[in-house]
Amino acid sequence: GAVVSQHPSWVICKSGTSVKIECRSLDFQATTMFWYRQFPKQSLMLMATSNEGSKATYEQGVEKDKFLINHASLTLSTLTVTSAHPEDSSFYICSATGLAGGPGKNIQYFGAGTRLSVL
Amino acid sequence: GNSVTQMEGPVTLSEEAFLTINCTYTATGYPSLFWYVQYPGEGLQLLLKATKADDKGSNKGFEATYRKETTSFHLEKGSVQVSDSAVYFCALTNSGYSTLTFGKGTMLLVSP
Repeated sequence: GAVVSQHPSWVICKSGTSVKIECRSLDFQATTMFWYRQFPKQSLMLMATSNEGSKATYEQGVEKDKFLINHASLTLSTLTVTSAHPEDSSFYICSATGLAGGPGKNIQYFGAGTRLSVL
Repeated sequence: GNSVTQMEGPVTLSEEAFLTINCTYTATGYPSLFWYVQYPGEGLQLLLKATKADDKGSNKGFEATYRKETTSFHLEKGSVQVSDSAVYFCALTNSGYSTLTFGKGTMLLVSP
């Protein structure tokens, strides 16, 4: 149980284009989803927290107009990197927490990550 | 604020050696503590957790005990395998909240 699917696992795009990454909770309802960015050999940096049906809360220094987050349902959140540039190349990871009685509110379950390469 | 400090890696061991990865934390209230593992090119997997003082989390031969008096949650395994090679992250979350605070991660390399 508590499986989070992230798609695509790897994407290569041209500079200036937009890329959408999907994060789905497969067997539980995710009230809250998180988006992280990970640089090589470093820890995870929280970008934003999204609750179903409301606007995402972005961490300081994260451009909300560049990294658009939508959490339209209890099983799906999307991160769109708009007008991507080479410096946006990174490993993006989502995670989800569930409703009380499910996988647990304080436990985050992670997707497998998406490696974005912007040429 | 919350913080997690892990020993720096890489930790290099031979197969069947004993593993300890140190983790200490600073937090308000009564945090829950976690160890996550990240295999190359993958996301994080929850390895084990402990939600209150003196709890011992265990999974796949790994153990960690929540020590409130020393604010520690050290990860141990009696006999490591090559397949345990990965990056291990210690993390915490405050009671009632979901946001995780991660340590910087410790790379473990196990040779045959």
